[in-house]
Amino acid sequence: DTAVSQTPKYLVTQMGNDKSIKCEQNLGHDTMYWYKQDSKKFLKIMFSYNNKELIINETVPNRFSPKSPDKAHLNLHINSLELGDSAVYFCASSQDQVNQPQHFGDGTRLSIL
Amino acid sequence: GESVGLHLPTLSVQEGDNSIINCAYSNSASDYFIWYKQESGKGPQFIIDIRSNMDKRQGQRVTVLLNKTVKHLSLQIAATQPGDSAVYFCAENRGAAGNKLTFGGGTRVLVKP
Repeated sequence: DTAVSQTPKYLVTQMGNDKSIKCEQNLGHDTMYWYKQDSKKFLKIMFSYNNKELIINETVPNRFSPKSPDKAHLNLHINSLELGDSAVYFCASSQDQVNQPQHFGDGTRLSIL
Repeated sequence: GESVGLHLPTLSVQEGDNSIINCAYSNSASDYFIWYKQESGKGPQFIIDIRSNMDKRQGQRVTVLLNKTVKHLSLQIAATQPGDSAVYFCAENRGAAGNKLTFGGGTRVLVKP
């Protein structure tokens, strides 16, 4: 009965590789998000989608490309991984895009060797 | 730039005592505030939220207070329990589209038995 689920939980890979993180929510929410949490626990939004439409696109390198095949899924693809991409990436969802609590997954810890 | 900030990285509390976590924000246009709890290895978990037209809201063992005059937000936890040990984040929506939350730096709460 997991509400927001991400896979994989851990991802260890080498610099220069391309990787994807998947996210699914079964809450029936319209809006989904990707966040990055650095080693100091600072959480910053990267993207949000509302019903498959890109709403928020923060200053993120274009090596990061989100894709939303339907409103229950928001995947994150990262090209040419760099050391600085090492972080925990969280997916979240909310009922809609107007002042609603966001519900987070348990994160994907990405480590770049 | 404007940001939500927490300046107390660690709060030690005796079990059974009340905890107060403080948060300062700088954007007077912010209209929605939210508190999250993050346990080790987990995603942020929604605790309570408050809109700018309110100054107090209560949940189960938690109370959020909003002082718009001094741009201050606090989370009070009554009868703190060992399970309350976690990192707590405040976040604000600055009235921007897309339910964009800006997070503070987090406060670690340690509950001593």
